Amino acid sequence: EAGVAQSPRYKIIEKRQSVAFWCNPISGHATLYWYQQILGQGPKLLIQFQNNGVVDDSQLPKDRFSAERLKGVDSTLKIQPAKLEDSAVYLCASSLGRDRGLLGYEQYFGPGTRLTVT
Amino acid sequence: LAKTTQPISMDSYEGQEVNITCSHNNIATNDYITWYQQFPSQGPRFIIQGYKTKVTNEVASLFIPADRKSSTLSLPRVSLSDTAVYYCLVGDHGGATNKLIFGTGTLLAVQP
Repeated sequence: EAGVAQSPRYKIIEKRQSVAFWCNPISGHATLYWYQQILGQGPKLLIQFQNNGVVDDSQLPKDRFSAERLKGVDSTLKIQPAKLEDSAVYLCASSLGRDRGLLGYEQYFGPGTRLTVT
Repeated sequence: LAKTTQPISMDSYEGQEVNITCSHNNIATNDYITWYQQFPSQGPRFIIQGYKTKVTNEVASLFIPADRKSSTLSLPRVSLSDTAVYYCLVGDHGGATNKLIFGTGTLLAVQP
């Protein structure tokens, strides 16, 4: 079974530039998550989708971050404009979904995209 | 938010049992407790999940007391390859109450 795919793996941009990350979840997974992980910290949930709908985006800095999930499958996360403090690893995860009971809560993570803002 | 507290680091030797405790005083009724393992330059990997009492799978056990304000991940007979950061995650996957919040994690160092 293929895992969660993310691209690019690494990205270096200057502050005030824009950047986009792509995620392809495991086939059949209804729930998709985007996390930001700053070096030395645990992942921070930015946004959670259930199919096409947003379950939680309370920690997404909406003035500069946006995310969408096309047709309930792939997702993109965009930052515009980037700030120095956005330097982090951006992790995408997917799970079967809350409608699948306990099995639905196990998250499968992709390898992440390491963003460096200079 | 279901804030979690874990020890920053722990040391162990190969073959020993390791217990890592997580405190989550404001856990809500809908919240589940999940543990993840993370190696450098990789995404976290699911270890075990539970709601109450004891859960066991092929790699670990999870002990949750009746008040659910803490949980303990037990790794039997650790090996060098178990050196990693371990995260406790508490939250409601439905988003209705506590959000999904990872703690700062526990760095487990296993020595020969």
